[in-house]
Amino acid sequence: QVQLVQSGAEVKKPGSSVKVSCKASGGIFRNYAINWVRQAPGQGLEWMGGIVTMYNTANYAQKFQDRVTITADESTTTAYMELSSLTSQDTAVYYCARTHWNGPSDFWGQGTLVTVSS
Amino acid sequence: EILLTQSPATLSLSPGERATLSCVASQSFTGSYLAWYQQKPGLAPRLLIYDASDRATGIPDRFSGSGSGTDFTLTISSLEPEDFAVYYCQQYGVSPRTFGQGTRVEIK
Repeated sequence: QVQLVQSGAEVKKPGSSVKVSCKASGGIFRNYAINWVRQAPGQGLEWMGGIVTMYNTANYAQKFQDRVTITADESTTTAYMELSSLTSQDTAVYYCARTHWNGPSDFWGQGTLVTVSS
Repeated sequence: EILLTQSPATLSLSPGERATLSCVASQSFTGSYLAWYQQKPGLAPRLLIYDASDRATGIPDRFSGSGSGTDFTLTISSLEPEDFAVYYCQQYGVSPRTFGQGTRVEIK
C-alpha cells in the first residue's frame, strides 16, 4: 500500500525558513513525481510545485519561484520542500502528493501544519 | 496560468439527491487533463476522478465526471451521508497546475 508520511508541525519566526519532509513507501519512487500543495486556514488548495524524481528536476509555481526549493532523495524515497523568507501569509497546511507524470495526484501525505508567528 | 472557476460555491442538498458541480477553465488545455478531489475537514484531499471522466480506484460509481475543452462537471447521482464535503477541480494539462476554489456540498 502506498503511503506518504510527512514530518511534524512547525512553528517558525517571520523571515526564517522551513523544510518539510515526505517519506514515500509502497511504490516505485522514481516512477512518479511528488507535488507540494498548501492550504491556508479556511482556504482552498494551492499548487506550489513538484519534482520528477527520476530526473530530479523540479518546477515551481511562479508565485513561489524565488522562495521554494523542492528536492528528492531516491536512496531514502523522501522528498523535501523548503520555503524561505516566511511571513504570516505562509501559515498553512502543506501536503505532499504522489503524482503521475501528466497525471493526477493519487496518494497524499497527512499534511504538515506550518505556523509563522513572532 | 489557467484559472478554474467552480460553481456554485455552496450546494445545499439532502441525502439521496443528485449533486451537479461545475468547473469552468479560462482556456482549454491538453487532453482533458482534469481531476476532481474530495476533501473532508482535517483530512488530505482524495482523488475521485481523473482525465475528466475516469474514476479513481475504489471510488463508487455514483461519482461521475464529464466535459471537455473548458467546461467540466462532477455529478454525484445520489448523495450519501459521507459525500458531504468540499470538492475541488484541478487541471494538470498546463503548468502551473491549478485548482478551482472549491464547492462545498452541505446537508440541507
